[in-house]
Amino acid sequence: GESVGLHLPTLSVQEGDNSIINCAYSNSASDYFIWYKQESGKGPQFIIDIRSNMDKRQGQRVTVLLNKTVKHLSLQIAATQPGDSAVYFCAALTGGGNKLTFGTGTQLKVEL
Amino acid sequence: KAGVTQTPRYLIKTRGQQVTLSCSPISGHRSVSWYQQTPGQGLQFLFEYFSETQRNKGNFPGRFSGRQFSNSRSEMNVSTLELGDSALYLCASSLGQNQPQHFGDGTRLSIL
Repeated sequence: GESVGLHLPTLSVQEGDNSIINCAYSNSASDYFIWYKQESGKGPQFIIDIRSNMDKRQGQRVTVLLNKTVKHLSLQIAATQPGDSAVYFCAALTGGGNKLTFGTGTQLKVEL
Repeated sequence: KAGVTQTPRYLIKTRGQQVTLSCSPISGHRSVSWYQQTPGQGLQFLFEYFSETQRNKGNFPGRFSGRQFSNSRSEMNVSTLELGDSALYLCASSLGQNQPQHFGDGTRLSIL
């Protein structure tokens, strides 16, 4: 099977700073990873994904890094804004089908 | 483009009853997955449907079931409700395997 864990339950950053949220996975056969943002009262919102044949992918203000050697994934948010405050989940897909295994989530708090 | 729509948003039931939740995927998406989110267990995969067939199933008892219709809309049913079934039930749709899954805002089920 697969297990996914996030390193910190809570991360506090100052507005304008860069944020880094880390995630570890256990199954080396995992081949697709997604980062989600969940705000209170809403469902998880897709942020960015990365496949196992890549080690870096960039979006708007976000970068995902994948280190398959140590089975580690990170999400970097540039110039963090108050609107980035939410719980962030990483999720991994292993094998066939669309079963995602989620980490426990990191609460990002942006201080003004 | 409309997102994933889940109905109802909130539901209160008593132990022993059954419940049916509905999910309308993003237009063109043929894969629908269901997840349960609780504070204690986090996000856990229930099952996935693709072209009206269950393709994957998580580790939940047989009281949890689902189906998908020819228009890709999906329903999940929980019979003989227990207090522990209180949770946020989330539906996600995607174009297919290894494609981004997009979530609805969920149905909040409370069991009294």
